[in-house]
Amino acid sequence: GAVVSQHPSWVICKSGTSVKIECRSLDFQATTMFWYRQFPKQSLMLMATSNEGSKATYEQGVEKDKFLINHASLTLSTLTVTSAHPEDSSFYICSARVLANSYEQYFGPGTRLTVT
Amino acid sequence: GQQVMQIPQYQHVQEGEDFTTYCNSSTTLSNIQWYKQRPGGHPVFLIQLVKSGEVKKQKRLTFQFGEAKKNSSLHITATQTTDVGTYFCVFGNEKLTFGTGTRLTIIP
Repeated sequence: GAVVSQHPSWVICKSGTSVKIECRSLDFQATTMFWYRQFPKQSLMLMATSNEGSKATYEQGVEKDKFLINHASLTLSTLTVTSAHPEDSSFYICSARVLANSYEQYFGPGTRLTVT
Repeated sequence: GQQVMQIPQYQHVQEGEDFTTYCNSSTTLSNIQWYKQRPGGHPVFLIQLVKSGEVKKQKRLTFQFGEAKKNSSLHITATQTTDVGTYFCVFGNEKLTFGTGTRLTIIP
């Protein structure tokens, strides 16, 4: 099956610093990737849709200046959490579709961010 | 916007017992998908249902899509410890909306 990787798998940073999370499709090209956030014991919430070569589309309530998304190539999307605060501590997961006519999405293993 | 509620929120069963989670939408859905997330892991696609009244089986798992396409269910027969995790119903064509999830724990 299709493989999506994320790096790092976990990160601890100090309040006020920025953190970059990478999402890669390893064996397929993804023109669109998705970024989700999941707080403990809660469901996944879509943050934004990352489009290769264009600006990301953010969901309502998600600050685009705080969560910078760059989709520089067909296999890489990055999420940068700027000026992180403890309330940004969460599990960040990316996903991508393999086939344009399929609903199935493949998820990365996730990145656990802890802001101290 | 559309909301998808799942019940129960938590379910503890003895190994070997059956388990069912229900998903209800406030509006008609074009399709429903089910994902499983193991503790500490990421969601993994299980199945997609598209047709009204559709029933699909995967070994011990039975998935149903309601006639009105507003509800769905996942039934696991004779649970095993490997079934532990959170089961999400999900809808959407490209942008996915996750249900609230049902966390299943198994008592060996």
